[in-house]
Amino acid sequence: TQLLEQSPQFLSIQEGENLTVYCNSSSVFSSLQWYRQEPGEGPVLLVTVVTGGEVKKLKRLTFQFGDARKDSSLHITAAQTGDTGLYLCGIETSGSRLTFGEGTQLTVNP
Amino acid sequence: EPEVTQTPSHQVTQMGQEVILRCVPISNHLYFYWYRQILGQKVEFLVSFYNNEISEKSEIFDDQFSVERPDGSNFTLKIRSTKLEDSAMYFCASSGPGQGTSLYGYTFGSGTRLTVV
Repeated sequence: TQLLEQSPQFLSIQEGENLTVYCNSSSVFSSLQWYRQEPGEGPVLLVTVVTGGEVKKLKRLTFQFGDARKDSSLHITAAQTGDTGLYLCGIETSGSRLTFGEGTQLTVNP
Repeated sequence: EPEVTQTPSHQVTQMGQEVILRCVPISNHLYFYWYRQILGQKVEFLVSFYNNEISEKSEIFDDQFSVERPDGSNFTLKIRSTKLEDSAMYFCASSGPGQGTSLYGYTFGSGTRLTVV
């Protein structure tokens, strides 16, 4: 059983569409991070959410941390081809270990 | 924007050979990490390093692996006798400068693609 379950695993949409991807767990977290990874590159931090119910916006990206701090979502409005990538959620499972989910591979078609 | 720099970007080595992967973390960061990603799989934690010693290591990080911070800027991962299954992307990361790394996030390098033949 994965500590973090991300869904969907794959998502292919047209430019201009909206989408939401999810990161779920049965455990409670003190914080959660979202990253985007492009092919041949390392993950790039998008946001850290800390407070239950917190909503953070990064341009067209909206991140939400669940009230119970067990889940999080990432919503992208009016997707662009540059949003294509692997979206990873990650949590610190100990003081110094970041554990990632399997990721959602997003493809935005022109 | 500060970067984590990794060299080489690609490394091909014969099975049984030693390899050293190099990283230059962000200068004011205090915590350093190695992760790896086998093709098509998730990013996995290998080891964390703080105050010149290993803080934590995963079950993957066995006696064939070692890390070192030989000077004030470099952070290296050595694999003593490479196996075919060590083929992967290896990412260095750093975080800090303070405690509560989750609040700062991690900065990853672009990775070294290691191919063991």
